[in-house]
Amino acid sequence: NAGVTQTPKFRVLKTGQSMTLLCAQDMNHEYMYWYRQDPGMGLRLIHYSVGEGTTAKGEVPDGYNVSRLKKQNFLLGLESAAPSQTSVYFCASSYSLEQFFGPGTRLTVL
Amino acid sequence: AQKVTQAQTEISVVEKEDVTLDCVYETRDTTYYLFWYKQPPSGELVFLIRRNSFDEQNEISGRYSWNFQKSTSSFNFTITASQVVDSAVYFCALSDFNQAGTALIFGKGTTLSVSS
Repeated sequence: NAGVTQTPKFRVLKTGQSMTLLCAQDMNHEYMYWYRQDPGMGLRLIHYSVGEGTTAKGEVPDGYNVSRLKKQNFLLGLESAAPSQTSVYFCASSYSLEQFFGPGTRLTVL
Repeated sequence: AQKVTQAQTEISVVEKEDVTLDCVYETRDTTYYLFWYKQPPSGELVFLIRRNSFDEQNEISGRYSWNFQKSTSSFNFTITASQVVDSAVYFCALSDFNQAGTALIFGKGTTLSVSS
């Protein structure tokens, strides 16, 4: 039982490049979330999903897209990376009110 | 709007001192959950406690204790006899009781440094 995993752990991009972050959970959770953590800002919600095939915007969705084609996976895409997207990205999943977090992905955009 | 405020950005203490981390929240809902998470230097988020709005009993777990007061919208966290391993960023968070799966609203965190 791996819990919530995130791929990759680290990534460096150049401005304008695209990439996809993968979140996978093996707990059969309906709900999944993407947060970003910036210094002094806490964690802020980017997008979330309440079930397979459904997604919704969170607090800071601009510049990101998501997909939940399979229940166990939640993908976060950056179509054209910007330096402002340099951050640590956390994925989480839940079945009720307790969220289980992945280890995070540290993304740097140059 | 829902909001969580952690007014203390950084706290430094010496080992064995007691330290209290403050958390004040705002919500219009009558039912909600409050959480504390720890983020050690390794970066992962560690769940510490969940408290629902109906339960104002204080909770103690080893050296950790939590004081929930609805009257002041506060959910403070005290570490007794702090240790170097307690050095971390601590986040307070708020969720909506009625919507299972609703995302957490985090405070900005308090960085606790415990020196020996």
